[in-house]
Amino acid sequence: DQQVKQNSPSLSVQEGRISILNCDYTNSMFDYFLWYKKYPAEGPTFLISISSIKDKNEDGRFTVFLNKSAKHLSLHIVPSQPGDSAVYFCAASAGSARQLTFGSGTQLTVLP
Amino acid sequence: NAGVTQTPKFRILKIGQSMTLQCTQDMNHNYMYWYRQDPGMGLKLIYYSVGAGITDKGEVPNGYNVSRSTTEDFPLRLELAAPSQTSVYFCASRISGGEETQYFGPGTRLLVL
Repeated sequence: DQQVKQNSPSLSVQEGRISILNCDYTNSMFDYFLWYKKYPAEGPTFLISISSIKDKNEDGRFTVFLNKSAKHLSLHIVPSQPGDSAVYFCAASAGSARQLTFGSGTQLTVLP
Repeated sequence: NAGVTQTPKFRILKIGQSMTLQCTQDMNHNYMYWYRQDPGMGLKLIYYSVGAGITDKGEVPNGYNVSRSTTEDFPLRLELAAPSQTSVYFCASRISGGEETQYFGPGTRLLVL
């Protein structure tokens, strides 16, 4: 029973265009959401996050949108760059120890 | 700061052998976590700790043990390794007090044959 789903295993976009990565969740107890970026043979690195009391958070080229009623969030990268090519994981936080539940990831490839 | 460090980077075990995966953080974080990532899957929580001397099970704890005798170290013990434990293991840490971000180590790749 996957509580956090990333339904697109891969996404290819042209350099300079927008990349949109999607994530759905089922557990209403999740109250904080994070996006991590992962390169091969490295650990995940934090990218951007959003609290459930907000619907948008921006950080430079990265924007995360949260639609609580639809239990859906998305990560927008504008403009996309070849260095953005990586696996992106959506994660949701709950519990007193703020345990993370991860989606299965989306491989983003930005073509020059 | 080195952040979160993990050793070894890679290890091959035979079925039934045991080993300890080491994790150390130098950020004085109270919370530490162990995750495993299987191919094509997301990370799954094995065990976590909210401070020295306190540990608890995550989603997939069977076949593993942990201890937390200091703030800095959070070793993961595999007893009687099985092929199903072939995975990449990530350790993470987080400060307490409202900060949600977990910081991850580089991972240990384990192959059980």
